[in-house]
Amino acid sequence: KQEVTQIPAALSVPEGENLVLNCSFTDSAIYNLQWFRQDPGKGLTSLLLIQSSQREQTSGRLNASLDKSSGRSTLYIAASQPGDSATYLCAVSPGNTGKLIFGQGTTLQVKP
Amino acid sequence: GAGVSQSPSNKVTEKGKDVELRCDPISGHTALYWYRQRLGQGLEFLIYFQGNSAPDKSGLPSDRFSAERTGESVSTLTIQRTQQEDSAVYLCASSPYSGANVLTFGAGSRLTVL
Repeated sequence: KQEVTQIPAALSVPEGENLVLNCSFTDSAIYNLQWFRQDPGKGLTSLLLIQSSQREQTSGRLNASLDKSSGRSTLYIAASQPGDSATYLCAVSPGNTGKLIFGQGTTLQVKP
Repeated sequence: GAGVSQSPSNKVTEKGKDVELRCDPISGHTALYWYRQRLGQGLEFLIYFQGNSAPDKSGLPSDRFSAERTGESVSTLTIQRTQQEDSAVYLCASSPYSGANVLTFGAGSRLTVL
């Protein structure tokens, strides 16, 4: 059974720092991996989607990497800002559907 | 509408009562998903609908949970005889088709069972 784990559960950093969020999964047979952002009282927003054949994806200050063989992904946030404060969720898809398996998330606080 | 709409946003009910949660997906999206998020946990898949195909109900936790979808529009998640462990945020998402993997989530319905 696929399990997704995110470390750390919570993180607090001063504004301007670069930071890394970690995600690991137990079954390397994934179709893709996504990183989402969740703000309180709002739905999830997809940040980056990495197909199983890809190694990384970049969007602005965000960079996500995928090492399928070791079952790991990282989300790198450069020059963090208070507006980045949110919960970040990692999810893997075992197939070409929207049936995603989520980690428990990392709650990030960026202090001004 | 422009996004996925869910109602009610908050629901408090007594143990043993039935509840219905509604989801209006983005117009034209053929795939619709229900997820549950318990406090401090990640999202758990419950059920998904793809067009006129039989729904994938593999994530429903018990027979007290059911969901329906009218064509490619509104979906209703029903929880019968609610229990305290049903307390969670129930999130709906839609996508253009099940293989798109680009899900748009609603804001969720927070259910509290007393």
